[in-house]
Amino acid sequence: DTGVSQNPRHKITKRGQNVTFRCDPISEHNRLYWYRQTLGQGPEFLTYFQNEAQLEKSRLLSDRFSAERPKGSFSTLEIQRTEQGDSAMYLCASSPSGSFEAFFGQGTRLTVV
Amino acid sequence: KQEVTQIPAALSVPEGENLVLNCSFTDSAIYNLQWFRQDPGKGLTSLLLIQSSQREQTSGRLNASLDKSSGRSTLYIAASQPGDSATYLCAVRWHSNYQLIWGAGTKLIIKP
Repeated sequence: DTGVSQNPRHKITKRGQNVTFRCDPISEHNRLYWYRQTLGQGPEFLTYFQNEAQLEKSRLLSDRFSAERPKGSFSTLEIQRTEQGDSAMYLCASSPSGSFEAFFGQGTRLTVV
Repeated sequence: KQEVTQIPAALSVPEGENLVLNCSFTDSAIYNLQWFRQDPGKGLTSLLLIQSSQREQTSGRLNASLDKSSGRSTLYIAASQPGDSATYLCAVRWHSNYQLIWGAGTKLIIKP
């Protein structure tokens, strides 16, 4: 499959624990985005990478959230000290160089109990 | 403020009907607009991308139009089928940033 791949698909964690999600973009896509979506709403932007550089980060993102894209390939999103309000679907998307057409993965659904 | 609005929030129509979904946006200086489909609990599937210089795009039974001056886009679905039931989301990218700004979606139900 050559689409965007996200792992895990589902994660249940206790409040206060740290979680990490992984996103593998479409091969050779240099743009990578993270979004968060809660039930009944459109996605909210979290952060954007162009190659390995994090060029944009939402002000909504607290300092408990961090994202990396070492070597400009896969990306990880870490949430520290999770809270119930972090429960959401976390979506990753990628775009090729020269285009901003976004292709999304299936998402990681996080439930904080 | 750059915002995207989709009305109605939900729509139910009989199978076979043609239908139109609406998307409106503030600030006409868009870079592009993308329509997506989302099935319950799933990720987003890109349906159509319209660049700011284009007026419409077509793919199969889907046609998306763009009118920047009025801040509107429509997604036309011809000869609707039960398999078209899903939430349809509109997302806009403006020249000033990299992110997509999203509407809340229209939940479409096609009744057999």
